[in-house]
Amino acid sequence: DAGVIQSPRHEVTEMGQEVTLRCKPISGHNSLFWYRQTMMRGLELLIYFNNNVPIDDSGMPEDRFSAKMPNASFSTLKIQPSEPRDSAVYFCASSPRGKASYEQYFGPGTRLTVT
Amino acid sequence: AQSVTQLGSHVSVSEGALVLLRCNYSSSVPPYLFWYVQYPNQGLQLLLKYTSAATLVKGINGFEAEFKKSETSFHLTKPSAHMSDAAEYFCAVNLSGKSTFGDGTTLTVKP
Repeated sequence: DAGVIQSPRHEVTEMGQEVTLRCKPISGHNSLFWYRQTMMRGLELLIYFNNNVPIDDSGMPEDRFSAKMPNASFSTLKIQPSEPRDSAVYFCASSPRGKASYEQYFGPGTRLTVT
Repeated sequence: AQSVTQLGSHVSVSEGALVLLRCNYSSSVPPYLFWYVQYPNQGLQLLLKYTSAATLVKGINGFEAEFKKSETSFHLTKPSAHMSDAAEYFCAVNLSGKSTFGDGTTLTVKP
């Protein structure tokens, strides 16, 4: 069974450009999480969805960030406009249920560099 | 509210030595606890989890962790370190479907 799929794996863009990160969760999982990882701030939860509905977006840094989950098999995280401080590794994770006892399955991440 | 504290951002052991990575949690109710491992340029992978069935939990790659309510701890151990164990390890607590991760501990294994 394929794991969580993220694309692209690497993205280099210039400040001010729009960036879209994509995620395909594991089939049958109904919770999806977006994280950002940096050396300075560690692993931060940006937003999570249950059954395609955003449940908690309190971690989204500012209005430049937006996330959507139009169906159970696809989610996007968009940054517009991008800034150098957005450079990080962005992870998508999915979980079988929105319950505390279930672990999360992480994708390989997208390494974003904004110059 | 829930949180975890990982004591020691870096731990170094010799190959064959005991590995001990410390995690303390704070939770208003009995939590679910997890240890994840992250190898370079990869996402996090589950090592083991505590869901109240047993206080001593065995995971993959010879790791285990013991839940101690009186100490609010969930330390990760492995009797004998292997070079391939070098990675970053994260403790996490989950109460409501949303996990809170610790800051991570980088394990270095010396030959």
